[in-house]
Amino acid sequence: DTGVSQNPRHKITKRGQNVTFRCDPISEHNRLYWYRQTLGQGPEFLTYFQNEAQLEKSRLLSDRFSAERPKGSFSTLEIQRTEQGDSAMYLCASSPPRTGLNSPLHFGNGTRLTVT
Amino acid sequence: GQQLNQSPQSMFIQEGEDVSMNCTSSSIFNTWLWYKQDPGEGPVLLIALYKAGELTSNGRLTAQFGITRKDSFLNISASIPSDVGIYFCAGQLRAGGTSYGKLTFGQGTILTVHP
Repeated sequence: DTGVSQNPRHKITKRGQNVTFRCDPISEHNRLYWYRQTLGQGPEFLTYFQNEAQLEKSRLLSDRFSAERPKGSFSTLEIQRTEQGDSAMYLCASSPPRTGLNSPLHFGNGTRLTVT
Repeated sequence: GQQLNQSPQSMFIQEGEDVSMNCTSSSIFNTWLWYKQDPGEGPVLLIALYKAGELTSNGRLTAQFGITRKDSFLNISASIPSDVGIYFCAGQLRAGGTSYGKLTFGQGTILTVHP
């Protein structure tokens, strides 16, 4: 499977615990995005990496959230001191380098987080 | 966060019927995309539109990029049961500058097809 891979698929945690999700983008895709999707809504942008550089962060990304992409390949999203409001599907997407026209984003199957 | 206005919110149709859904924005986008999402899965790209006025087909799906660059529609002809799912529109600004190609999504249209 050469698509975007996310692990774990599901995570149940207790309030206050830390969680970390991993995303492996499509090979040679230098752009990587994290989105959050709550029930009944479309995905909302969280953050963007171009290679290893984190170039944009949404206001949705509170200081309890941190994302990394140390070698410009896989990325991790960590949530510290989880709250019930963090319960959502966390989606990762990647796109290839392309000048001129935009490149559509290819999404993984997400990590569903439930905070109890 | 900002989202596009997508309508209708849900549709219940009979197999074989045609379907139409649309998306509007107060902002201009350079690219419009349509995705389908099945339960527990990530969105899958259906159609990408790059030019104002562009009409693009993908099998039974047809989508158009509005000439004002603030809207788009998706049509599905002769619906089948596997068309069931949530359809999302998404707008994308040009990747240069500070937009970085990120997507702004609509709220989704839930499609149910009765056999």
